[in-house]
Amino acid sequence: AQKVTQAQTEISVVEKEDVTLDCVYETRDTTYYLFWYKQPPSGELVFLIRRNSFDEQNEISGRYSWNFQKSTSSFNFTITASQVVDSAVYFCALSDRNQGGKLIFGQGTELSVKP
Amino acid sequence: NAGVTQTPKFRVLKTGQSMTLLCAQDMNHEYMYWYRQDPGMGLRLIHYSVGEGTTAKGEVPDGYNVSRLKKQNFLLGLESAAPSQTSVYFCASRVGLAGEQRTQYFGPGTRLLVL
Repeated sequence: AQKVTQAQTEISVVEKEDVTLDCVYETRDTTYYLFWYKQPPSGELVFLIRRNSFDEQNEISGRYSWNFQKSTSSFNFTITASQVVDSAVYFCALSDRNQGGKLIFGQGTELSVKP
Repeated sequence: NAGVTQTPKFRVLKTGQSMTLLCAQDMNHEYMYWYRQDPGMGLRLIHYSVGEGTTAKGEVPDGYNVSRLKKQNFLLGLESAAPSQTSVYFCASRVGLAGEQRTQYFGPGTRLLVL
């Protein structure tokens, strides 16, 4: 079955700390896509990154970086030097080839960055 | 370019009342989705559409109906609202199936409370 697990329900850090959000997925597909979305307190869902299964290169975007490892079925997200504005719920998602390519979401990790 | 918009932002219904949620996108996307978000459960797919005039059921379709008469609009209907339908509803759209086209872009959400 297709599944995404975000084992960390809540994480609290102090500003400027680095923090890693874990994401583990299960899929029977050989080609698949993984995503991270951010949901700030205002409630909208903001797309952060898409990664396909045949590209295991890690990606860095400013303070954000992503580590994709097919061998461990993980797609972890690291925020370096966290800031208060990073406080949000972060969702990892897997694109299913069925049902119109729906997204299968993890339960989300609520990150709280304290000043 | 407004992206994905949703109407209304917030609504209170009494049990048994009906209502329609409107989703509109101005990106000429083929695929559109309705998800619901409940505490601690991530997002779950209600219905989806792969093109104008087509609709299909997702994971949790009971109690909802949809229509896509125009490519840019995707309507979600509740014929007889129940307290279990209290949730935040998100609409999303994407271009197609290949590569970056798989990225879904979300509307701001509609918060529905059924008393």
